Amino acid sequence: GENVEQHPSTLSVQEGDSAVIKCTYSDSASNYFPWYKQELGKRPQLIIDIRSNVGEKKDQRIAVTLNKTAKHFSLHITETQPEDSAVYFCAASPIKAAGNKLTFGGGTRVLVKP
Amino acid sequence: DTGVSQDPRHKITKRGQNVTFRCDPISEHNRLYWYRQTLGQGPEFLTYFQNEAQLEKSRLLSDRFSAERPKGSFSTLEIQRTEQGDSAMYLCASSLGTGTGGFDEQFFGPGTRLTVL
Repeated sequence: GENVEQHPSTLSVQEGDSAVIKCTYSDSASNYFPWYKQELGKRPQLIIDIRSNVGEKKDQRIAVTLNKTAKHFSLHITETQPEDSAVYFCAASPIKAAGNKLTFGGGTRVLVKP
Repeated sequence: DTGVSQDPRHKITKRGQNVTFRCDPISEHNRLYWYRQTLGQGPEFLTYFQNEAQLEKSRLLSDRFSAERPKGSFSTLEIQRTEQGDSAMYLCASSLGTGTGGFDEQFFGPGTRLTVL
């Protein structure tokens, strides 16, 4: 089955700096890679995703890159703000007609210091 | 509230007791997923439904666990003879389900936190 590794497990950045989180996956059949943000005591919420036919995707201050050959993908947050402090999870899934179960990484706790 | 809802939000039980959780997906979402999340870890897939059909079960789901989605709307997850290792957050998610193999964002509920004493 799929295995997703995520690094680092914790990340502390100064407000305004950039944060980068990296994930690797094992199953070459995976072609959908979402990123979820989970604030303390809250539900995971999708912040951005990328599919395997795209190498990079950007949405305001966040961007995701994908390297299918190397089986890794990354989340980039620029101009970090205190409200970016949360746990971020990457995930991978094959898109199938009958549903796509997500395999999550272990999470990265991001702390943005004012 | 039009999001995914779960009930109860917290459950404390004694080892050996049975517990049942409920998930109400977003209206018209025909896919429903259950995940389990332990402290400091990412969610782990348990099972999912396409309408009322349970299409896949994780090996994590022992025979003490059973899930149903009888009318293709809400779902229940039952754990029999609970063990301390079952203590976790149980998350439900739903998605629209295009049926064509395309993009299918999963929306998560707030979870049910289970504590087994």
